[in-house]
Amino acid sequence: NAGVMQNPRHLVRRRGQEARLRCSPMKGHSHVYWYRQLPEEGLKFMVYLQKENIIDESGMPKERFSAEFPKEGPSILRIQQVVRGDSAAYFCASSSGTSGGAMDEQFFGPGTRLTVL
Amino acid sequence: DAKTTQPPSMDCAEGRAANLPCNHSTISGNEYVYWYRQIHSQGPQYIIHGLKNNETNEMASLIITEDRKSSTLILPHATLRDTAVYYCIVRRNYGQNFVFGPGTRLSVLP
Repeated sequence: NAGVMQNPRHLVRRRGQEARLRCSPMKGHSHVYWYRQLPEEGLKFMVYLQKENIIDESGMPKERFSAEFPKEGPSILRIQQVVRGDSAAYFCASSSGTSGGAMDEQFFGPGTRLTVL
Repeated sequence: DAKTTQPPSMDCAEGRAANLPCNHSTISGNEYVYWYRQIHSQGPQYIIHGLKNNETNEMASLIITEDRKSSTLILPHATLRDTAVYYCIVRRNYGQNFVFGPGTRLSVLP
């Protein structure tokens, strides 16, 4: 049973370019979360999606960042016109959302390390 | 979601039990306590969670006080590979994000 997969694992972009990060949730999971971890800091929530819907994007920067989780295919976190401050590790997590209550653990992927030159 | 307080760092001798405390004095009755850890720069790894009863799995035990205002994660026989940052998180509803604090940096020493 494959875990959460993210690709690429490492991504280098120059300032002004676009970065696309992909996340394939665990089999049977329909909930996806994106978190960002800046160097030497903790993880910060960005966005929560279910298939074809954004449920909570309260942690997303207002500009340049977008996320989607189409009916088919992986979830995509897109960063337009990247700046040096976007350099970070981006983690995706998935959950089944079927346990009810709060017993709905999230399983994290290995992350994508974005470096902006 | 309730906030948690953890010591910033702890040391533990290899082979001994590691006891990691967490204070969540403002926890609500319907909030669960979750523990995750992050080894080096890998993705966070789920360890255990509980509501009010003590819990045990193959990785660890979770002891929650009767008033639920604090808990302790116990790694019964710590190994060098348990060196990581451990996060204690409380969360109310499924489908909500986790709020990660700074966690406790556990160093298991040979």
